[in-house]
Amino acid sequence: DAGVIQSPRHEVTEMGQEVTLRCKPISGHDYLFWYRQTMMRGLELLIYFNNNVPIDDSGMPEDRFSAKMPNASFSTLKIQPSEPRDSAVYFCASSPPGQGTDTQYFGPGTRLTVL
Amino acid sequence: KQEVTQIPAALSVPEGENLVLNCSFTDSAIYNLQWFRQDPGKGLTSLLLIQSSQREQTSGRLNASLDKSSGRSTLYIAASQPGDSATYLCAVAHPQQAGTALIFGKGTTLSVSS
Repeated sequence: DAGVIQSPRHEVTEMGQEVTLRCKPISGHDYLFWYRQTMMRGLELLIYFNNNVPIDDSGMPEDRFSAKMPNASFSTLKIQPSEPRDSAVYFCASSPPGQGTDTQYFGPGTRLTVL
Repeated sequence: KQEVTQIPAALSVPEGENLVLNCSFTDSAIYNLQWFRQDPGKGLTSLLLIQSSQREQTSGRLNASLDKSSGRSTLYIAASQPGDSATYLCAVAHPQQAGTALIFGKGTTLSVSS
């Protein structure tokens, strides 16, 4: 059984470029979460979806960040334009029906470096 | 605003030692508390989940306790092994305006030497 899949695993880009991070949740899971991890701030929730609908996006830092979930098996987190302070590891997690935030399965993360 | 603090930030112990990791949170209105393990370059793996009505949970050599009224949790690791070396994160499920969310501490990085 495949876990949460994230791509790419590593991304290096230049300031001002658009960055798109991708996530495939575990099949059958109905919650999807996007987190950002930095040394300074630790792990922070950016946004989460339930049944493909955004429930809470209060953690999205700026309008430069946007997230979509067009179907139950795919989500994207886009940063446009990217800035050096966006450098972090971005994690996607999913949760099975009835579990909500209780039981989250994390992907391996995407390490983003913005030069 | 809920804040989660973990002390110490880093810990080094020799193999075989028993150890305690600490987690504190500022708002006792939580649904549950979880301890996660994070290995370098990997995602997080849930170790133990304690519901707000529970006092402790055990899994193998791990024991987690929860004192909601004082805003504290501890993770006890018995007979530590080099394979326990990782970062341990504490997270509380806290009601938000639009649902619940996990609020994480910054973690304790544990190094167990053989």
